[in-house]
Amino acid sequence: DVKVTQSSRYLVKRTGEKVFLECVQDMDHENMFWYRQDPGLGLRLIYFSYDVKMKEKGDIPEGYSVSREKKERFSLILESASTNQTSMYLCASSSYRVGAFFGQGTRLTVV
Amino acid sequence: DQQVKQNSPSLSVQEGRISILNCDYTNSMFDYFLWYKKYPAEGPTFLISISSIKDKNEDGRFTVFLNKSAKHLSLHIVPSQPGDSAVYFCAASGRNNDMRFGAGTRLTVKP
Repeated sequence: DVKVTQSSRYLVKRTGEKVFLECVQDMDHENMFWYRQDPGLGLRLIYFSYDVKMKEKGDIPEGYSVSREKKERFSLILESASTNQTSMYLCASSSYRVGAFFGQGTRLTVV
Repeated sequence: DQQVKQNSPSLSVQEGRISILNCDYTNSMFDYFLWYKKYPAEGPTFLISISSIKDKNEDGRFTVFLNKSAKHLSLHIVPSQPGDSAVYFCAASGRNNDMRFGAGTRLTVKP
């Protein structure tokens, strides 16, 4: 059974903290993505990666960075968490021209 | 500005009838289009896709239609079933392997 695993389902962090969200896939996919989902806005692309050590900005990269040191792992980093980064974060992976598989999501609350 | 738009936040249909979900895109570089279904507290799951070289793709009760000149695609579900009730997201991808999503349409199928 294919899997995309996100390290936490729920996370509460304080303003100003550095936050790491981890995502691991077991399908040997080239592409990995980070999105945030907010009511009425759908899924907005933060960053994506098409290969190890490669990264591309999505539509809302400000305040975020990513790391892909290994093919199976794609990390999202909030350099200094702010309350407007409270959201549901979704990781996905895909192969070229194949539908993506998503993790269960991490609901992050910044207080 | 969102590159993929789903202008209907919600749709309600009777069981057994057709559900038609619509999606528009603005970026002419998109050449691969996907539909995902999402239940609460779960990540989206891939439903069906279509390449820009086609205008129709069918999979069981689900058919996706693409009108490239209008930059419009639609998902038809026939016949609709109560278990189809979910949020449906349209997504578009280009040659750089990005994947952009719309805001979603909540489909309710009434028994």
